[in-house]
Amino acid sequence: ETGVTQTPRHLVMGMTNKKSLKCEQHLGHNAMYWYKQSAKKPLELMFVYNFKEQTENNSVPSRFSPECPNSSHLFLHLHTLQPEDSALYLCASGRGGREQYFGPGTRLTVT
Amino acid sequence: EDQVTQSPEALRLQEGESSSLNCSYTVSGLRGLFWYRQDPGKGPEFLFTLYSAGEEKEKERLKATLTKKESFLHITAPKPEDSATYLCAVHPFNDYKLSFGAGTTVTVRA
Repeated sequence: ETGVTQTPRHLVMGMTNKKSLKCEQHLGHNAMYWYKQSAKKPLELMFVYNFKEQTENNSVPSRFSPECPNSSHLFLHLHTLQPEDSALYLCASGRGGREQYFGPGTRLTVT
Repeated sequence: EDQVTQSPEALRLQEGESSSLNCSYTVSGLRGLFWYRQDPGKGPEFLFTLYSAGEEKEKERLKATLTKKESFLHITAPKPEDSATYLCAVHPFNDYKLSFGAGTTVTVRA
């Protein structure tokens, strides 16, 4: 499999649930990113990992918890989310200073 | 603070009707400017990287150009399959993060 993959593609969860999003990149990149995309708004950077080390937490609420066990895998753990957290969550990978490649995204709905 | 503004927000074109999208940016030193295409419900697809003023890149009916303050994405003789949202992003020298614009949604009617 090539590029950046994300699972699941769609997720519906209640506000008391705990779920995880998974991202895997097959491009040999050293950096991985989580973005949130809401309707009519620019992409919002959430977290950055560079060589498995978190280098950015863009003021994201603690109900979102990232994990990067190695340079190819990235997780976003979700718990006690709010309805306003419903959005498309995108994972990307890249090499510092160059273009990023995105996965297909997970469409999250919080009920 | 880095800013990226894309215009127009939406663009409706007839098939074959060429047009241009604008991306204006304010950044303290530009490392690179990127164009992406995004189809509904999918992740952005990388199109071009531009590094310096005067640079141009082409791919099929798309051509991207760069000045010191803005970039244009020209669509020549568009087809319905060119319908998508086009995103612009800048990468400043003093940061490793990209700043994205809100995008221009292009609809091409047959």
